[in-house]
Amino acid sequence: EVQLVESGGGLVQPGGSLRLSCAASGFTFSSYEMNWVRQAPGKGLEWVSYISSSGDTISYADSVKGRFTISRDNAKNSLYLQMNSLRAEDTAVYYCVRKYYGSGGKYFDHWGQGTLVTVSS
Amino acid sequence: DIQMTQSPSSLSASVGDRVTITCRASQSIIRYLNWYQQRPGKAPKLLIYAASSLQSGVPSRFSGSGSGTDFTLTISSLQPEDFATYYCQQSYSNLLTFGGGTKVEI
Repeated sequence: EVQLVESGGGLVQPGGSLRLSCAASGFTFSSYEMNWVRQAPGKGLEWVSYISSSGDTISYADSVKGRFTISRDNAKNSLYLQMNSLRAEDTAVYYCVRKYYGSGGKYFDHWGQGTLVTVSS
Repeated sequence: DIQMTQSPSSLSASVGDRVTITCRASQSIIRYLNWYQQRPGKAPKLLIYAASSLQSGVPSRFSGSGSGTDFTLTISSLQPEDFATYYCQQSYSNLLTFGGGTKVEI
């Protein structure tokens, strides 16, 4: 069974840093592209960042570019999101998401349960 | 970037109703369109991919259609567990972006 378990969320002051982790199991982690998606309280889904299966291709939403860093450790089956210079508008539940390539295109087929990041003084 | 616009943003319906949600892309995405369901307090769940292909385990009352820029998600007979928020997502570009969501309420 595919499992994605996020950790590392919590309360942080504006300007602070936090590192999210996602532990993957039940599939060959090194074969899949991964993403972080967030959802602010009462709001919709926002794609945050993408990393290729090998880690050599990375992308960010404009809203986090220059402040967030995505990485992965395929030996540890883990995905990370280093978040620096946090702002109140970064408050959200952060989901670790697996990207799947099928015959009909690509989609997010497995999601973690999410971890809440609250940026407040 | 490809922008995705859903309508309506919310709707009220009753059990047994037929419900239709629309999603429009800012450019042609052929049929690279996915739909997700999110129940309160839960992670999103994939319902439909490639505009009309039902994900394994999803009830057949859910269906999707469309191509180019205009797409629809239809629930043929709304069930109590279907009251949720629905999101479309384009997968034409490498960065998969979402629509704003449609909340289906009683």
